[in-house]
Amino acid sequence: SQQGEEDPQALSIQEGENATMNCSYKTSINNLQWYRQNSGRGLVHLILIRSNEREKHSGRLRVTLDTSKKSSSLLITASRAADTASYFCATDAVGAQKLVFGQGTRLTINP
Amino acid sequence: DVKVTQSSRYLVKRTGEKVFLECVQDMDHENMFWYRQDPGLGLRLIYFSYDVKMKEKGDIPEGYSVSREKKERFSLILESASTNQTSMYLCASIPLWDPSTDTQYFGPGTRLTVL
Repeated sequence: SQQGEEDPQALSIQEGENATMNCSYKTSINNLQWYRQNSGRGLVHLILIRSNEREKHSGRLRVTLDTSKKSSSLLITASRAADTASYFCATDAVGAQKLVFGQGTRLTINP
Repeated sequence: DVKVTQSSRYLVKRTGEKVFLECVQDMDHENMFWYRQDPGLGLRLIYFSYDVKMKEKGDIPEGYSVSREKKERFSLILESASTNQTSMYLCASIPLWDPSTDTQYFGPGTRLTVL
């Protein structure tokens, strides 16, 4: 079955630096979504990018999608300590009518 | 704002007990989902439902069942809890499926421990 796979599994950077996380998937998708989860809390939707879009911005977030490589990246610019969380990509496969989540990237921002 | 609530944040049960996890959404969404989240495995779909009394198996339905008697409520049932069902359970809902626009709205999660 299709699965989004995040890379790296863990990332630790200094406050103010940019953080980049990648997601790869296996089959054709309708859209790809990024979620954030603080420790012990629920998931919060960050951004959705459709299969016909290549790049999308939302505040300090920038998402790219390369359907030819079946991959997406999430860039968080000017990171803050409060950005420390796990980040998940989720793919909506064509015809599947459900989201499939990856294992997540654990991001730690050091003050 | 969409609100998805789950009946318990933390639950401790014993092996063999029957466990009910309740999820309620207040936005008249048709689709509801149950996931479990485990370290290193991400989120895995257990069951989902498109409408009242409709249910579909997800990727890991074994050991679970669900009930959707009312549109706003989707229950996950562990008929006989086992220790390998210790996990964080997340409920989500969305309106009629529109892959071009919709995101899933998640509840806060229930951390279930089976002793």
